[in-house]
Amino acid sequence: SQQGEEDPQALSIQEGENATMNCSYKTSINNLQWYRQNSGRGLVHLILIRSNEREKHSGRLRVTLDTSKKSSSLLITASRAADTASYFCASSGYSTLTFGKGTMLLVSP
Amino acid sequence: NAGVTQTPKFQVLKTGQSMTLQCAQDMNHNSMYWYRQDPGMGLRLIYYSASEGTTDKGEVPNGYNVSRLNKREFSLRLESAAPSQTSVYFCASSEADGAYEQYFGPGTRLTVT
Repeated sequence: SQQGEEDPQALSIQEGENATMNCSYKTSINNLQWYRQNSGRGLVHLILIRSNEREKHSGRLRVTLDTSKKSSSLLITASRAADTASYFCASSGYSTLTFGKGTMLLVSP
Repeated sequence: NAGVTQTPKFQVLKTGQSMTLQCAQDMNHNSMYWYRQDPGMGLRLIYYSASEGTTDKGEVPNGYNVSRLNKREFSLRLESAAPSQTSVYFCASSEADGAYEQYFGPGTRLTVT
């Protein structure tokens, strides 16, 4: 399996705090993507970072990519209760995405 | 614009029964995918269709078949359901394969008894 791993598996924080999730993958990539899944729903795309990029921002999201270490991180700043969800990284190969097992984020008011 | 739709939302099957999960997208995407999601396992790719007229196996294709009926529709068939196929099934589509973001349907929760 080429599945990557997210770390931590679960994260519990207070509103206003920052949340950092890490992802490792196993093979060379075209790009790396992050998705969010609310309980019982389909996944929603958050951000895509290409293999030649090191950092990308979108609103309160900041993604970094280190291809030498085959790792990425997702930072959510000033978390809100509505950010409670599972977050998945997905590494892009030639034709398909390979998803990690996800980080469950709980943001308490 | 409905995006990606899946039917049914829920299904209970007995071992050995067959069924087809339907998926349709209205975004004129070329590529479509079927995943299963099990607790603690993330999403695993069952089959995909990079373009109309082509299908390829993913990580876990055994026990499944697919049909890319046209550019909009991609169905997943379980010929003889087994309890190990109890899962949540997601269909997704993307503009093209690999490098593009994927859009997901709401999922089908399947239980095989």
